[in-house]
Amino acid sequence: GAGVSQSPSNKVTEKGKDVELRCDPISGHTALYWYRQSLGQGLEFLIYFQGNSAPDKSGLPSDRFSAERTGGSVSTLTIQRTQQEDSAVYLCASSPGVLFTIEQFFGPGTRLTVL
Amino acid sequence: AQSVTQLGSHVSVSEGALVLLRCNYSSSVPPYLFWYVQYPNQGLQLLLKYTSAATLVKGINGFEAEFKKSETSFHLTKPSAHMSDAAEYFCAVSGVDKIIFGKGTRLHILP
Repeated sequence: GAGVSQSPSNKVTEKGKDVELRCDPISGHTALYWYRQSLGQGLEFLIYFQGNSAPDKSGLPSDRFSAERTGGSVSTLTIQRTQQEDSAVYLCASSPGVLFTIEQFFGPGTRLTVL
Repeated sequence: AQSVTQLGSHVSVSEGALVLLRCNYSSSVPPYLFWYVQYPNQGLQLLLKYTSAATLVKGINGFEAEFKKSETSFHLTKPSAHMSDAAEYFCAVSGVDKIIFGKGTRLHILP
């Protein structure tokens, strides 16, 4: 596609429910990144993929968070047993390679609200 | 270790006035530095980046930033603010294995 797309754009869920957030990167981009943007906190780096592999999962906030990528394309971020503190905007980005020194292309984000 | 600090979570300038958004960084390795802009309900978009080729970096929409190693700064400027510049601006520092974003500065343009 022309840019990074994310779905849904907004998600409201009840505490304790599981949610799945989807990211479609730019076609041909091998690297994919997930961030969490909380009010006044800037961007928190969560995880990155090179192809389908995530070399470092230490940025995920807790074991309730997981992410996968299939076919070197679409990625899903799953949050189990959601808590109110999970409310944030979740941003996805992609780049032609895994180099943190090059430009990342961001999607519009998914706004998650946990009631 | 790397870190980045943006001074001022909100900055207001009059239309036509100078825009100055401040960013200071720390890095144990030669840094790559970025400024990204986020318009309402959109993702981040790269404004400019420093990669050691030149200390004065020109970006899109008339923005530029100057890398000052002695001051560990990478401040963003624009000579004349436009209403369309109202957005949130993020400074970031990266190394080989990570990128760290600042908390952002929201720029307000006063008519």
